Amino acid sequence: NAGVTQTPKFQVLKTGQSMTLQCAQDMNHEYMSWYRQDPGMGLRLIHYSVGAGITDQGEVPNGYNVSRSTTEDFPLRLLSAAPSQTSVYFCASSYVTGGRVGYTFGSGTRLTVV
Amino acid sequence: EDQVTQSPEALRLQEGESSSLNCSYTVSGLRGLFWYRQDPGKGPEFLFTLYSAGEEKEKERLKATLTKKESFLHITAPKPEDSATYLCAVQAPNSGYALNFGKGTSLLVTP
Repeated sequence: NAGVTQTPKFQVLKTGQSMTLQCAQDMNHEYMSWYRQDPGMGLRLIHYSVGAGITDQGEVPNGYNVSRSTTEDFPLRLLSAAPSQTSVYFCASSYVTGGRVGYTFGSGTRLTVV
Repeated sequence: EDQVTQSPEALRLQEGESSSLNCSYTVSGLRGLFWYRQDPGKGPEFLFTLYSAGEEKEKERLKATLTKKESFLHITAPKPEDSATYLCAVQAPNSGYALNFGKGTSLLVTP
């Protein structure tokens, strides 16, 4: 099992460009989520999904879109990149068993918008 | 409104000098409190999950405890390799099992 795979690991964008951050998991986890981590801010929830075809907004969704066409993939789209979106992005997948939840995080994508 | 508050923001210890990190939470109906370790340039690495007040879990030099309002991560006789950022999180309400994180405590252990 590869766990949660995020690509690319690093990316530099110009203001106004669009791109997609990829997230794939091979554990058949039902739940997936995207976070951004900024210095001194901890991880903040951008969007989450409770299953294929079902997504919803988290704490900081503006400027980002998501879709979940398959259980395995949960891409995050930046529609028109802004310098404020410079951050490290983490994807996570989670499962529930016996009322208890387990999480697996990807290794992150470091994005710089100039 | 912050649901998870960690203190201190940063902590510097001498090797062997035990201490505790604090995580206070205000979420109702706690469904799990999570501790993670994060090294620079890496994703969060799972340490512990606590579900009910009074619960304790241990792993090597780390021990996590939980009360109705806060959790402590006790570090006994730390080593330089324990240097990392320690993150606390609870399940965010109505967010499909996503997590609500505190801002973390940056721990530096010097020889």
